[in-house]
Amino acid sequence: GNSVTQMEGPVTLSEEAFLTINCTYTATGYPSLFWYVQYPGEGLQLLLKATKADDKGSNKGFEATYRKETTSFHLEKGSVQVSDSAVYFCALRTSGTYKYIFGTGTRLKVLA
Amino acid sequence: GAGVSQSPSNKVTEKGKDVELRCDPISGHTALYWYRQSLGQGLEFLIYFQGNSAPDKSGLPSDRFSAERTGGSVSTLTIQRTQQEDSAVYLCASSSIPGTGNTEAFFGQGTRLTVV
Repeated sequence: GNSVTQMEGPVTLSEEAFLTINCTYTATGYPSLFWYVQYPGEGLQLLLKATKADDKGSNKGFEATYRKETTSFHLEKGSVQVSDSAVYFCALRTSGTYKYIFGTGTRLKVLA
Repeated sequence: GAGVSQSPSNKVTEKGKDVELRCDPISGHTALYWYRQSLGQGLEFLIYFQGNSAPDKSGLPSDRFSAERTGGSVSTLTIQRTQQEDSAVYLCASSSIPGTGNTEAFFGQGTRLTVV
């Protein structure tokens, strides 16, 4: 079946450090891929997305590239800030079902 | 409305009582989803609607859980005879059909359900 696997947290980094959160997926067909973020006390919001192979999604300094050959969509940021502390969810959506499947989330804590 | 609206935002109920959670999706969005987020856990899919029908309700945990959608808009998730393990944040999301523009899901703020 379709699934998303992302690295377990929590991830603790110092401000201005480089961030990578790994995400791999299993899906039939050609899914769209998403990163959602949940800041403390807030609802989920879309961070970035990619709808086909080799697409790069980017927003707020975060980037992720849709890699079909490795079935991956790793999230990266060159220099994290304290305000990036949140839980990050990788997700896919298959065209056949329109159903979103989420990973278990990775908690990021950035220290000043 | 401007976004996905859920009510109530918080609900405390006694074990064994029934509860109804409401979701008002973004106007024009034909797809609607319910997810459950337990403390420290990821998002657990419950059910999704396309229009008023539910092609996939495979995530509903038991027959105590049911959901309906009327007029292709508002949806209600009902939990009967609530149990303590039902305590969680229930999230609703809506999206448009792929190929018609954005394919992202927009989430509401959630309903925090506490069963005591």
